[in-house]
Formats: sequence, structure tokens, C-alpha cells
Amino acid sequence: NAGVTQTPKFQVLKTGQSMTLQCAQDMNHEYMSWYRQDPGMGLRLIHYSVGAGITDQGEVPNGYNVSRSTTEDFPLRLLSAAPSQTSVYFCASSTRNTIYFGEGSWLTVV
Amino acid sequence: LAKTTQPISMDSYEGQEVNITCSHNNIATNDYITWYQQFPSQGPRFIIQGYKTKVTNEVASLFIPADRKSSTLSLPRVSLSDTAVYYCLVGDIGTGFQKLVFGTGTRLLVSP
Repeated sequence: NAGVTQTPKFQVLKTGQSMTLQCAQDMNHEYMSWYRQDPGMGLRLIHYSVGAGITDQGEVPNGYNVSRSTTEDFPLRLLSAAPSQTSVYFCASSTRNTIYFGEGSWLTVV
Repeated sequence: LAKTTQPISMDSYEGQEVNITCSHNNIATNDYITWYQQFPSQGPRFIIQGYKTKVTNEVASLFIPADRKSSTLSLPRVSLSDTAVYYCLVGDIGTGFQKLVFGTGTRLLVSP
């Protein structure tokens, strides 16, 4: 009963490096999304997808890219990491009204 | 945007009932009200969801008045393991994913 699986769990990057956070879901949900959570703040939407081949920007999309080639996968790419992108990242998949989150990816940019 | 307002924190003792209220004055007709629980170092977890009146499941109850401008999550007989952050989320994913806004949540501390 995997649900939403995120990898890696922890990552340290140097400023300017690029990387991809992987996300996969096995619930056949059409909606998927990425959030970041910073200390003292709620979850902020980065990008979301309403189906394979369809993505859109959320509240804080700058510095991130996404693609959705299959229903199951929704990777998040950091193009050129900056210290301001140090955060916890949560991937989620959704029915029309309920969001199911992964366990999170802790990213530190030094 | 269906902005929500919750208390920043609440304290309780084991065995007590805890009620957390969320205000959402500009809720739209199609919006559902959903509560999530988040433990440290974990992703938020679905607790309960409702549209109007009262909903109950094995872990909580959700009370929604007729005007739907607020909702109350009720946790009966809390235990230490209920210490977590609770988020109220109002919206309809089908009509606007970007309109869903998580607030800062309510940090519940349950003491012995």
C-alpha cells in the first residue's frame, strides 16, 4: 500500500547545482502536486498537474520545473539551486476533494 | 481564495475533548472542508471531510453550521499521540487547485 512515494528523503546541494525530486503514486489519481513547507509557514503550492501532459504553476513556481508524462510520475526539477530553496518538499496526489501526501524530501542548499 | 483562520496553538490534557475551529467566511458553494493532521517530519494526513452539518468517523467529528462560514474539528478523549499540527483546508480541487490554500495550522499540544 505505497500511496505516494518520494525520493530522495534527504539531499544536500551546492548553490547552482540542479537536481530532480522524484514522485510516484499508485492510486491512479489524475491530480498531482508539489508543495514546499518552511518553518512557521503552511504548505505553499509550487506546481500542480490535472492529468498526464498538463501542468500549471502554483503560488511559488520560480526556480522549479515539472513535467507529467505518465499518470503515476510527477518529478520536480530544481534548475539552479539557491539557498532560498532549502525546505521540505511534499508531493501529493489527489482525488477531486482529498489530497494524499508523500512523506517529504528534506533539501538543504549550501 | 477561501482563506482560513485557525488558532495558532492549543493545549490540552490526555482524556479531554479538543475542539479546533476554523473560520472561512468566503467559502464557495462547491467547496468542501477538509482537515489534515501533520506530525513532525511527516506529510499531512487526511482526517475528515465534510460539506455541511455533521460528519463523524473513527477518529474525529466535524461540525459545520448552516452558513458554512466556519467548521469545528472535534477530537474526543485526546492522547499524547494526538500532539500534532492540524490544518483546515477549504476548496474544490476540481475547479481550482491553485485556490487551495493551507494556512499555518493549529499546533495542538497534549500533556499527561
